[in-house]
Amino acid sequence: KAGVTQTPRYLIKTRGQQVTLSCSPISGHRSVSWYQQTPGQGLQFLFEYFSETQRNKGNFPGRFSGRQFSNSRSEMNVSTLELGDSALYLCASSHAGTGAVYSGANVLTFGAGSRLTVL
Amino acid sequence: AQKVTQAQTEISVVEKEDVTLDCVYETRDTTYYLFWYKQPPSGELVFLIRRNSFDEQNEISGRYSWNFQKSTSSFNFTITASQVVDSAVYFCALSEAKAAGNKLTFGGGTRVLVKP
Repeated sequence: KAGVTQTPRYLIKTRGQQVTLSCSPISGHRSVSWYQQTPGQGLQFLFEYFSETQRNKGNFPGRFSGRQFSNSRSEMNVSTLELGDSALYLCASSHAGTGAVYSGANVLTFGAGSRLTVL
Repeated sequence: AQKVTQAQTEISVVEKEDVTLDCVYETRDTTYYLFWYKQPPSGELVFLIRRNSFDEQNEISGRYSWNFQKSTSSFNFTITASQVVDSAVYFCALSEAKAAGNKLTFGGGTRVLVKP
């Protein structure tokens, strides 16, 4: 069974540009989450999508946005790139989980990440 | 707010030594889940173990074992008889049930270096 696929794996952009990253979840997984990993801030939650709706959002500026398509594939976009946006962006997929008892219990399967360098 | 602290930033051991990774968490939720993930040099986070807040039974799975103590809000992880392939960054993570969905709060990670 195929894992979580992220594209592109590496990319270089300059300040002010925008970037779109893509994530294809494991077949059958309807939840897709995005995380940013930097040496200084560690792993930080960006947002989570389920059934094309954003279900959770971390503390990031509005320049960071995402969406999910009907086939559960997700994209995240960063506009007006800043040097501090250089990071490894990790996507994770999981089963949805329903109800308060099950929320948070799902195991996330991560992709290999997209490494963004902003010059 | 939830928080996870991994005080050890780096641990270096010689192969076959045991390695214990510390994790302390903070949460106001009574129902929560704790995880350990491993990140090898390839970058992909790999799930290792999960415990829920109602189950403090400590278990052993192969060379891995964990010690969950609610009284001290700790969820420590031990690798027994370490191997070079265990070299990676290990992350402890917390998920709260009230968050309604999948949202992990990660600790800062502990880099483990196993030397032959």
